[in-house]
Amino acid sequence: NAGVTQTPKFRILKIGQSMTLQCTQDMNHNYMYWYRQDPGMGLKLIYYSVGAGITDKGEVPNGYNVSRSTTEDFPLRLELAAPSQTSVYFCASSRTSGQSYEQYFGPGTRLTVT
Amino acid sequence: AQRVTQPEKLLSVFKGAPVELKCNYSYSGSPELFWYVQYSRQRLQLLLRHISRESIKGFTADLNKGETSFHLKKPFAQEEDSAMYYCAPPPKRRAGNQFYFGTGTSLTVIP
Repeated sequence: NAGVTQTPKFRILKIGQSMTLQCTQDMNHNYMYWYRQDPGMGLKLIYYSVGAGITDKGEVPNGYNVSRSTTEDFPLRLELAAPSQTSVYFCASSRTSGQSYEQYFGPGTRLTVT
Repeated sequence: AQRVTQPEKLLSVFKGAPVELKCNYSYSGSPELFWYVQYSRQRLQLLLRHISRESIKGFTADLNKGETSFHLKKPFAQEEDSAMYYCAPPPKRRAGNQFYFGTGTSLTVIP
């Protein structure tokens, strides 16, 4: 299994541009998540999904949109990029049953908005 | 909401010294907690889960319900332990609940 994969690894955007961060998992996990990690600030949850067609906001959803049309994919959309969105973005997934709810993380996407 | 607090953003210890990374939780019910680790330029990965009571890479963590804590401990720190450590509840969806990671503790082991 490839686990959780993210593309791109790096991206530089100009203010006002838009882009989609891709996330795919091949573990048949129902739960998927998007986090951002700012320097010295830890992880903050942007959006999460508990299954195909179901998404919900996390701590910091403003400026982002998500969709979940399939179990495998959970793309994150930035419509009007702002410098405050400069961060490292991590996608994660987890199972929904069983003893362990361990989250599996992708390698991250480093985004710079200038 | 299930909340966890990691009071130390930065922690430095000398190689061979004991290390304790603090995590406190503030929710009722049966707490379930995890420790995740992020080595430099790598993805986050699970280090420990409280239900297994295991020791991974020499680290242990005990759930103390009286002190509402889940501190991560290692008796002799190694240089390769330098990393970012996060305490987190499990990502279970409950009514009105959110999934919050702790703010993380950056551990530096000094040679």
